[in-house]
Amino acid sequence: NAGVTQTPKFQVLKTGQSMTLQCAQDMNHNSMYWYRQDPGMGLRLIYYSASEGTTDKGEVPNGYNVSRLNKREFSLRLESAAPSQTSVYFCASSEVGTGLKNIQYFGAGTRLSVL
Amino acid sequence: KNQVEQSPQSLIILEGKNCTLQCNYTVSPFSNLRWYKQDTGRGPVSLTIMTFSENTKSNGRYTATLDADTKQSSLHITASQLSDSASYICVVSMIGEYGNKLVFGAGTILRVKS
Repeated sequence: NAGVTQTPKFQVLKTGQSMTLQCAQDMNHNSMYWYRQDPGMGLRLIYYSASEGTTDKGEVPNGYNVSRLNKREFSLRLESAAPSQTSVYFCASSEVGTGLKNIQYFGAGTRLSVL
Repeated sequence: KNQVEQSPQSLIILEGKNCTLQCNYTVSPFSNLRWYKQDTGRGPVSLTIMTFSENTKSNGRYTATLDADTKQSSLHITASQLSDSASYICVVSMIGEYGNKLVFGAGTILRVKS
């Protein structure tokens, strides 16, 4: 039982390159999320998927796209990376949404640098 | 504006000592408040969740309090250990139009030294 697994752990991109961050969970959770964490700031929600087949924008969606491939997997794509997207990216999952007592489980993160 | 403010930003204590971390929020409407522990290079891990009607919740040496009237919470760590060195994040869940939304604080970085 691995929980939430993110790949890759580290990535360096040049401005304008594209890449996809992968996330998979083995807890049979319905909801999945992508966050970014920047120094001195709280985690900010990029996109989320309340259930398989649905995706919605979060607080900072510009420059990103997502795919809920199946119940287990939720990927985040940067089509044309910019230095402002240098950050640590976390994927999370929860049983159903973020309502009362629904705990989010986080992956170990992907450290992305865009030069 | 819905915000979560944590203090102090960082803290250094000696092993075995107690400490208290603070969280003030302006989030409304309130659903619940969570404390997470984030080890360096890892994702956050849930410590406690408290609803409006709960004013204290313990998890081992961690005790969280909530005063919903003043919109303040604290996390008290008893008899600190080296393994407590981490960032502690206060998160408030607010009731949104399309479901609950989490508002994250920036965290307090705790270093426990021997």
